[in-house]
Amino acid sequence: DGGITQSPKYLFRKEGQNVTLSCEQNLNHDAMYWYRQDPGQGLRLIYYSQIVNDFQKGDIAEGYSVSREKKESFPLTVTSAQKNPTAFYLCASRSGQGAPGSSFFGQGTRLTVV
Amino acid sequence: AQSVTQLDSQVPVFEEAPVELRCNYSSSVSVYLFWYVQYPNQGLQLLLKYLSGSTLVKGINGFEAEFNKSQTSFHLRKPSVHISDTAEYFCAVSDQGAQKLVFGQGTRLTINP
Repeated sequence: DGGITQSPKYLFRKEGQNVTLSCEQNLNHDAMYWYRQDPGQGLRLIYYSQIVNDFQKGDIAEGYSVSREKKESFPLTVTSAQKNPTAFYLCASRSGQGAPGSSFFGQGTRLTVV
Repeated sequence: AQSVTQLDSQVPVFEEAPVELRCNYSSSVSVYLFWYVQYPNQGLQLLLKYLSGSTLVKGINGFEAEFNKSQTSFHLRKPSVHISDTAEYFCAVSDQGAQKLVFGQGTRLTINP
């Protein structure tokens, strides 16, 4: 079955530690996205990538980094520079072919700082 | 810049009653509009989308939405809700040709028996 897989589902981070969230898709989509979700604030875009080896900052990129070495994979690193990383993180992908597609979402990773 | 406003943060309704979740957007260009549903601790699932054509769009689970260009609105409706519709609902907008979605703050729909 085609889809997007995020791992792990739950992640705990100590203060000052970097952590990496995984996102893999087998939908053959060109574009991939990372969103952060906080209660009452909807989804905010962290980074997005429209093609392999290229990515752009979203609205809240500070304290995060990404890579796009393969079409299927778009990992997100939450660095120690992110002062308030506790949140629900969602990865999405979108087809860019022909008429505009719609984003498909993974099941999310809940990150908690301990 | 685009923005999306969901006018109600929470909407409680009784089972089998009708419901409307309101969404307004601001954009100076033609847009695509989407409604997503999120069940607890899960990702988002597409309910319906407006790309062009008929302004009344039908989606999954009996939901529909109407695009009103003059009022820049895209309200979501269901004539009779079920307990299983309890979830958070997000409205989103994208400029035609753009690669980014802008989301509203979400509306939590609670169905009471």
